[in-house]
Amino acid sequence: EPEVTQTPSHQVTQMGQEVILRCVPISNHLYFYWYRQILGQKVEFLVSFYNNEISEKSEIFDDQFSVERPDGSNFTLKIRSTKLEDSAMYFCASSEEVQETQYFGPGTRLLVL
Amino acid sequence: AQSVTQLDSQVPVFEEAPVELRCNYSSSVSVYLFWYVQYPNQGLQLLLKYLSGSTLVESINGFEAEFNKSQTSFHLRKPSVHISDTAEYFCAVSPSGTSYGKLTFGQGTILTVHP
Repeated sequence: EPEVTQTPSHQVTQMGQEVILRCVPISNHLYFYWYRQILGQKVEFLVSFYNNEISEKSEIFDDQFSVERPDGSNFTLKIRSTKLEDSAMYFCASSEEVQETQYFGPGTRLLVL
Repeated sequence: AQSVTQLDSQVPVFEEAPVELRCNYSSSVSVYLFWYVQYPNQGLQLLLKYLSGSTLVESINGFEAEFNKSQTSFHLRKPSVHISDTAEYFCAVSPSGTSYGKLTFGQGTILTVHP
């Protein structure tokens, strides 16, 4: 069964460094999403992406964050100048259509020191 | 804006006992409703969803949830749980209509099934 994959599974970085989290959505899906879950808190929506542009973003998704689909398979989340509070589990998801089931990847656990 | 409240952070039960995981939501617009499950070291998997039609929806592994519009609830139930149901369960909503599918999650309920 097709699945969403994410790399790396864990990443440790120093505050102020840039990180890129990578996702490979399911191949025929058109809608892509990033969510994050800070330890002990709710899963929060960050951004949705369709047709090579952001379709919706949350207040969390400020200028520090960017997303890109650099080729036909990858979907990346870049965090510039990481902060301690960016430490979280980041989930990528994709769906075939906008109101169809979102399939989630296993997540990348980011730790900012 | 939408919000989701899962009233129980942890629910311990014995194997073969019934279970109910509670979910209430708040929204100014019509919503779609979802339950996701997360097993250890795995991603979120869709368990069941309500988009329209019958208010009672079922999953393939015996869970069911009923959409109650007047009480703004979407509680998840299973008449007899198994050890393998141990996981974290998330209730989520998404605005219907023209939204780009943004999911708003509850804080999750950890279901622990004891032998």
